Amino acid sequence: AQSVSQHNHHVILSEAASLELGCNYSYGGTVNLFWYVQYPGQHLQLLLKYFSGDPLVKGIKGFEAEFIKSKFSFNLRKPSVQWSDTAEYFCAVTNTGGFKTIFGAGTRLFVKA
Amino acid sequence: NAGVMQNPRHLVRRRGQEARLRCSPMKGHSHVYWYRQLPEEGLKFMVYLQKENIIDESGMPKERFSAEFPKEGPSILRIQQVVRGDSAAYFCASSPAGTFDNEQFFGPGTRLTVL
Repeated sequence: AQSVSQHNHHVILSEAASLELGCNYSYGGTVNLFWYVQYPGQHLQLLLKYFSGDPLVKGIKGFEAEFIKSKFSFNLRKPSVQWSDTAEYFCAVTNTGGFKTIFGAGTRLFVKA
Repeated sequence: NAGVMQNPRHLVRRRGQEARLRCSPMKGHSHVYWYRQLPEEGLKFMVYLQKENIIDESGMPKERFSAEFPKEGPSILRIQQVVRGDSAAYFCASSPAGTFDNEQFFGPGTRLTVL
């Protein structure tokens, strides 16, 4: 069965620190991968997505993610976090051409000013 | 262009009552998805609908839960005879097409509390 694993449930960083949030998925076929963010009191928004092509994907607000097929991973990175990045981050996967999205449990990031 | 609308944002029900959650997709979107988020868990797929059709309801509990997306009006997620375990945040998403070549756009969610 498809599954998505996010390694850290809670992360605390100081401003300007670098961020990497781990995401591994379990699925045998071709996949589409997403990172969503949920800021406090707001709904989920798409940060970035991977469908094909360059495995290094650039998203909004300086985020990027790298798809490593051999490791079934899609880790999210940002070189220098800001206080405003405090939010919950969700990794998600669908099979290509499908519609059922499988979400990870989420990682809550708190950035200290 | 208004985003996905959900109402109510908060809903309190006593055990045994019915809960009705509404979702209006983005303009031009004809595909709706419902997800449930339990505390400390990710979103779990429940059901995928197109206008007047349920395409996949494999994530929906077999009893007490139903969903519809009529030709006119919002999509409705209905929970009959609610129990405490139904307390969760329910999110709706919409897309202009049913494949994941298109991003899903999420609503703000409805937080259901069952007393």
